[in-house]
Amino acid sequence: DIVMTQSPDSLAVSLGERATINCKSSQTVLYSSNNKNYLAWYQQKPGQPPKLLIYWASTRESGVPDRFSGSGSGTDFTLTISSLQAEDVAVYYCQQYYSTPHSFGPGTKVDIK
Amino acid sequence: QVQLQESGPGLVKPSETLSLTCTVSGDSMSNYYWSWIRQPPGKGLEWIGYIYYSGSSTYKPSLKSRVTISVDTSKNQFSLKLSSVTAADTAVYYCARAYGQLAPFDHWGQGTLVTVSS
Repeated sequence: DIVMTQSPDSLAVSLGERATINCKSSQTVLYSSNNKNYLAWYQQKPGQPPKLLIYWASTRESGVPDRFSGSGSGTDFTLTISSLQAEDVAVYYCQQYYSTPHSFGPGTKVDIK
Repeated sequence: QVQLQESGPGLVKPSETLSLTCTVSGDSMSNYYWSWIRQPPGKGLEWIGYIYYSGSSTYKPSLKSRVTISVDTSKNQFSLKLSSVTAADTAVYYCARAYGQLAPFDHWGQGTLVTVSS
């Protein structure tokens, strides 16, 4: 099974500043045959289900603001919020869909400083 | 716009079977993979398993002996049964859709809290 880890566990960022979340997989999630990273990022606000933000490690889901961006390849990935807004307060999860069982990182809580 | 809605008992006794149904509206179930994912209170997300609209299923190995996921495309529903539950199975249970066997979850239900307690 692929184990996902995230860092930090939580972070507080001033409004308008950059937030960076890291995600690491225990084995590669890069499929060599199509050069795609099977890695997604989700945002979960209190009392709500997770919302898909990013897939293929760097492709934004339709309707997701462009302040959210994903990068990385292989086993190391990053979610960046370029200019934190109040509505971005949430827990963010990475997820690998390279193989079953699908697995999620433990989450990173983002707050306003 | 596809919508998913979980339904079922909110309280289940230890050793009994948890049963939930997810009703899909706004789109056909065809050609998608339909998953169950759970989240214990204050904790992270755990994928339980999925079923293809045709009926083939895959489960998380650590839960496989206790899980059954079934589909009824005529009713636009799929269901979860988890047997021999304990307090560790207390969680919010989500149903979710993916467009492929190896694809992200692009639509989720609102979730339903199931508590295991006598």
